[in-house]
Amino acid sequence: ILNVEQSPQSLHVQEGDSTNFTCSFPSSNFYALHWYRWETAKSPEALFVMTLNGDEKKKGRISATLNTKEGYSYLYIKGSQPEDSATYLCAFTNTGGFKTIFGAGTRLFVKA
Amino acid sequence: SAVISQKPSRDICQRGTSLTIQCQVDSQVTMMFWYRQQPGQSLTLIATANQGSEATYESGFVIDKFPISRPNLTFSTLTVSNMSPEDSSIYLCSVRTEGEKLFFGSGTQLSVL
Repeated sequence: ILNVEQSPQSLHVQEGDSTNFTCSFPSSNFYALHWYRWETAKSPEALFVMTLNGDEKKKGRISATLNTKEGYSYLYIKGSQPEDSATYLCAFTNTGGFKTIFGAGTRLFVKA
Repeated sequence: SAVISQKPSRDICQRGTSLTIQCQVDSQVTMMFWYRQQPGQSLTLIATANQGSEATYESGFVIDKFPISRPNLTFSTLTVSNMSPEDSSIYLCSVRTEGEKLFFGSGTQLSVL
């Protein structure tokens, strides 16, 4: 059974705070790890897809790291803004399969 | 990238009825995926729709309840049959392109009374 765990479930921060979320996934049969951003009433939007152990990716104020040996990834947001408020989803694709399994997400609320 | 048009965007349905959700992609893709998110839950994969063959369903989902069509490489439908309040969810179709990213439709918010 493929299980993707995300923490925390929700997070309330002030504008300007930096924050991070955790995603844990099976360390065996790893193929790819994804991060998506899902705003209310919109489609989930891909932030990053990482495939190599030690990968670090950055997009503006958002960055992510990957440790496939121990099965975790971190998403960092520097200087949070109210427009960063969304649900951040982590997802795992295993080798030999074509399906992607999602965690329950971290709901971020950024207060101005 | 891929652009997916999904409809309806929302619907309120009576118990026992069926609803068909449509997704149209702006390019040809081999596989399309159908997900749902029940309130407070994660995105859960229902099935993978392949053109020219029957869909592959995940554990807990069956064809009689969620029949899927995939008549060509740009279109798919998911039907939620004999609905009950437990089927109230957001339903999303998605495709995967080169680079492994998933692209999603805008979602269908279904409420069953």
